[in-house]
Amino acid sequence: DAGVIQSPRHEVTEMGQEVTLRCKPISGHNSLFWYRQTMMRGLELLIYFNNNVPIDDSGMPEDRFSAKMPNASFSTLKIQPSEPRDSAVYFCASSLEVRSYNEQFFGPGTRLTVL
Amino acid sequence: EDQVTQSPEALRLQEGESSSLNCSYTVSGLRGLFWYRQDPGKGPEFLFTLYSAGEEKEKERLKATLTKKESFLHITAPKPEDSATYLCAVQVRSYGKLTFGQGTILTVHP
Repeated sequence: DAGVIQSPRHEVTEMGQEVTLRCKPISGHNSLFWYRQTMMRGLELLIYFNNNVPIDDSGMPEDRFSAKMPNASFSTLKIQPSEPRDSAVYFCASSLEVRSYNEQFFGPGTRLTVL
Repeated sequence: EDQVTQSPEALRLQEGESSSLNCSYTVSGLRGLFWYRQDPGKGPEFLFTLYSAGEEKEKERLKATLTKKESFLHITAPKPEDSATYLCAVQVRSYGKLTFGQGTILTVHP
């Protein structure tokens, strides 16, 4: 069974460009989470969805960040315009049912470098 | 504000040398405490969930325990393949938000 799939695995872009990160959760999971990991701040939750609906986006750093989940098998995280301080590893995770406190399964991450 | 603090930041062990990692937390209403393992260049991998003080869980050489203020991850007779960053996280509400600690980097030398 495939785990969480993220693409691209690496992204190098220039400041001001638009960046789109993609995630396919584990089939049957109904919750999806976007995290950002940096050396300084560790692993931080950006936003999460339950049944395709955004529940908490309080971790989204600013309006340059947006996330969508058009269906149960796909989500995107977009940064427009990108800045060098956005450089980080972005993880997507999914779980079966939020209220049951089930464990979250993480994807391999997208390493983003903004020059 | 929910806080999770892990110690030590880094731990170097010889193969077979048992030790413990600590995760202390200050939260209002703990729902669950999670331990994850992260290898370089990979996403965190789930290890354990603990829900109440006094609970213990084991998996191979790892054993996690929970009190009202902290959790320990005990590593018995570690092997080099146990080298990784170990993360703990807390869940304090009825939905899925996890707050992670900074992690402990464990290195086990043969």
